[in-house]
Amino acid sequence: QVQLRESGPGLVKPSETLSLTCTVSGDSFSGFYWIWIRQPPGKGLEWIGHISNSGSTKYNPSLKSRVTISLDTSKNQFSLKLNYVIAADTAVYYCARSPDCGRTSCFWFDPWGQGTLVTVSS
Amino acid sequence: DIQLTQSPSFLSASVGDRVTITCRASQGISSYLAWYQQKPGKAPKLLIYAASTLQSGVPSRFSGSGSGTEFTLTISSLQPEDFATYHCQQYNVYPLTFGGGTKVEIK
Repeated sequence: QVQLRESGPGLVKPSETLSLTCTVSGDSFSGFYWIWIRQPPGKGLEWIGHISNSGSTKYNPSLKSRVTISLDTSKNQFSLKLNYVIAADTAVYYCARSPDCGRTSCFWFDPWGQGTLVTVSS
Repeated sequence: DIQLTQSPSFLSASVGDRVTITCRASQGISSYLAWYQQKPGKAPKLLIYAASTLQSGVPSRFSGSGSGTEFTLTISSLQPEDFATYHCQQYNVYPLTFGGGTKVEIK
């Protein structure tokens, strides 16, 4: 059974770079998209972006200029970098998986990692 | 961006009640809609995708319906473990977006 787990610093200073890694166990990267989603405390969910197993990416335009998602299949990991963070980037960050259905959109998210809280503060 | 509006945002119900949550899209999204359940301090869990397809392992008291701009999630008989926040999500167009959530609490 596939499991995802986020890791990275829980505190980042304003204007610095938030870096998180999602480690995947129990399945291969082939045939899926790999997703980052965040949820500010007490608020709703926001899709950040995703990467395919071949390395193609798609980002939320609201964050596009600051986001990079990358893949390291040799380590069974994918990563998120968010540059120039501000207080509004404080959130629980989740990684998740979506099936790759080819021409049909099937970007539902399952499973999810447990989430990791990242606080932006000096 | 496609806006998803959930109603109600808060719902108080009793065990055994039939509960219906609505998700309205700002433009048509065919059947490209998923529903998630989230308990406090936990990650969301997929319940339904393609508007009405039950994810494997999800109890049959959950059901989804709708297409276009109006969708519903129904819990036929609310159980104690169902008290949670429910989110809808569209995947018809980018950016992928979520509704604001519906919190279901015990009456």
